[in-house]
Amino acid sequence: NAGVTQTPKFQVLKTGQSMTLQCAQDMNHNSMYWYRQDPGMGLRLIYYSASEGTTDKGEVPNGYNVSRLNKREFSLRLESAAPSQTSVYFCASSSGTSLLSSYNEQFFGPGTRLTVL
Amino acid sequence: KNEVEQSPQNLTAQEGEFITINCSYSVGISALHWLQQHPGGGIVSLFMLSSGKKKHGRLIATINIQEKHSSLHITASHPRDSAVYICAVGGSNYKLTFGKGTLLTVNP
Repeated sequence: NAGVTQTPKFQVLKTGQSMTLQCAQDMNHNSMYWYRQDPGMGLRLIYYSASEGTTDKGEVPNGYNVSRLNKREFSLRLESAAPSQTSVYFCASSSGTSLLSSYNEQFFGPGTRLTVL
Repeated sequence: KNEVEQSPQNLTAQEGEFITINCSYSVGISALHWLQQHPGGGIVSLFMLSSGKKKHGRLIATINIQEKHSSLHITASHPRDSAVYICAVGGSNYKLTFGKGTLLTVNP
């Protein structure tokens, strides 16, 4: 099992460009998450999906959109990149559903390091 | 919103020392997670606990629900334990709130 995979590993964008970060998991997990990690700050939740077909905003959703394409895949799109979106992005998944999700271990992808010039 | 505070922010130890990292949170939770982030960036889950104590190898995690506090202990520390250790707390939804992490360096 590959676990959680993310592509690309590194990306440099110019301000205003768009791109999609891809995430896939092969553990048959229900819940998937997108986080960003910035220096001096904890991981912050951008969007999450509790099940196939549902998505919800997290703590810092502005400037991002997501798609839960199927149970395996959860993509994050930057429509018009800004320098403030320079960060490391992590995708994660867990088997939890509904109210029990915080009891379930989250499995993280390797991260995508994004720089916006 | 739950506030999660970790201490210390940075910790340097000699190989073999006993290490303690602390985590305090402001609002009652359903679960607390300890995570390890390696220098290369990868994040792995170490423990999830909602009460009491858990042990895995040289790592021990404890939680005191009444005091809203958890500790992660590493016995007989080793240079390969050098990493960032992250505490995260979860309530009755899907979301975790993360601390800023503790950077541990273990020197040989």
